[in-house]
Amino acid sequence: DTAVSQTPKYLVTQMGNDKSIKCEQNLGHDTMYWYKQDSKKFLKIMFSYNNKELIINETVPNRFSPKSPDKAHLNLHINSLELGDSAVYFCASSGGTGSNQPQHFGDGTRLSIL
Amino acid sequence: GNSVTQMEGPVTLSEEAFLTINCTYTATGYPSLFWYVQYPGEGLQLLLKATKADDKGSNKGFEATYRKETTSFHLEKGSVQVSDSAVYFCALDSGGGADGLTFGKGTHLIIQP
Repeated sequence: DTAVSQTPKYLVTQMGNDKSIKCEQNLGHDTMYWYKQDSKKFLKIMFSYNNKELIINETVPNRFSPKSPDKAHLNLHINSLELGDSAVYFCASSGGTGSNQPQHFGDGTRLSIL
Repeated sequence: GNSVTQMEGPVTLSEEAFLTINCTYTATGYPSLFWYVQYPGEGLQLLLKATKADDKGSNKGFEATYRKETTSFHLEKGSVQVSDSAVYFCALDSGGGADGLTFGKGTHLIIQP
């Protein structure tokens, strides 16, 4: 069984549209994350979510909003998509907020804006 | 703030060669250190980790030692295989978890038969 699963794997859409990416983890983890990987493979944290506490990277535009219906899910909503949003988005989860807890990653969602 | 610096790639080696990918970090406190690997078209997989100074993480023939005095966590493998071709990321977690991982820019490793 896949531990962290994201859907869709590929998302192609027009500029200005609103889209969502879903993430589910079956590891029983308390903390979930979203990362953005740009065209040069650089990974940067966007959000972390733990026990209803949301930590937002200050560089993330407010067009991006994470939503967590329950502990096993952290979905990413993006409004008014822009060309610069084209990237691969990774969801991850970890068993706690201690620094020795490794994060488990999904396979990524490749978002392409036309 | 936290930062991770790793050698830029691509790194091209022949099969059975010795591998070193350098990684140094800047962080407050006592971070945990990780190496992740990303195979083409896939997500990141944890390769190994070390949570305190002088710890050695190892997995699948890869090793890295947490060196606090040099703020380094270099990845090594004695004999690489074609199947090791991937992008390798050094990362740190400075604690609290809420800040997420801080990644290096990744090193693309290409192993030729």
